Amino acid sequence: EAGVAQSPRYKIIEKRQSVAFWCNPISGHATLYWYQQILGQGPKLLIQFQNNGVVDDSQLPKDRFSAERLKGVDSTLKIQPAKLEDSAVYLCASSLVGARNQAYEQYFGPGTRLTVT
Amino acid sequence: AQSVTQPDIHITVSEGASLELRCNYSYGATPYLFWYVQSPGQGLQLLLKYFSGDTLVQGIKGFEAEFKRSQSSFNLRKPSVHWSDAAEYFCAVVPSGTYKYIFGTGTRLKVLA
Repeated sequence: EAGVAQSPRYKIIEKRQSVAFWCNPISGHATLYWYQQILGQGPKLLIQFQNNGVVDDSQLPKDRFSAERLKGVDSTLKIQPAKLEDSAVYLCASSLVGARNQAYEQYFGPGTRLTVT
Repeated sequence: AQSVTQPDIHITVSEGASLELRCNYSYGATPYLFWYVQSPGQGLQLLLKYFSGDTLVQGIKGFEAEFKRSQSSFNLRKPSVHWSDAAEYFCAVVPSGTYKYIFGTGTRLKVLA
């Protein structure tokens, strides 16, 4: 079974530029999550999708961050314009829906390391 | 306030020694509890999970964790550490009634040969 795929793995941009990250979840996983992991901290949830609908985006800085999952499969997270404090690893995760405890198990991709200079 | 605490930022152990990583949470009801491991440049891998029932849970790679309701703790243990266990370990909780992971700040494990 293929895992969660993310690209690119690394990205360096200057502040005020824009950047986009892509995620393809495990086949059949209806729930998709984007996390931000700043160095020295645990991952923080940015947004959660179920199929192509947003379940929770309460911690997404909506003035500069946006995310979409148009066909309910892969997803894109965008930052525009980037700030220095956006330097972090952006993790995508996915999980099943419906099967009770399995819905709580999240599977993570390798992440995209973003450096904003 | 609701929180997840991993009090040890760094831990160093010798190969073959035992290991215990601490995790404490502060939530009203017992949440679901998880431990993940993150190797350099990798995503997070699930080690083990607790939903209910037996308070001692077994995971992959020889890890186990014990849920103690009275102490609001879910400590991770391994009897004999291998050099390949060097990584960062995260405790996560899912508060009752949600699917939202709240992660601790992580414990970085160094293993001495």
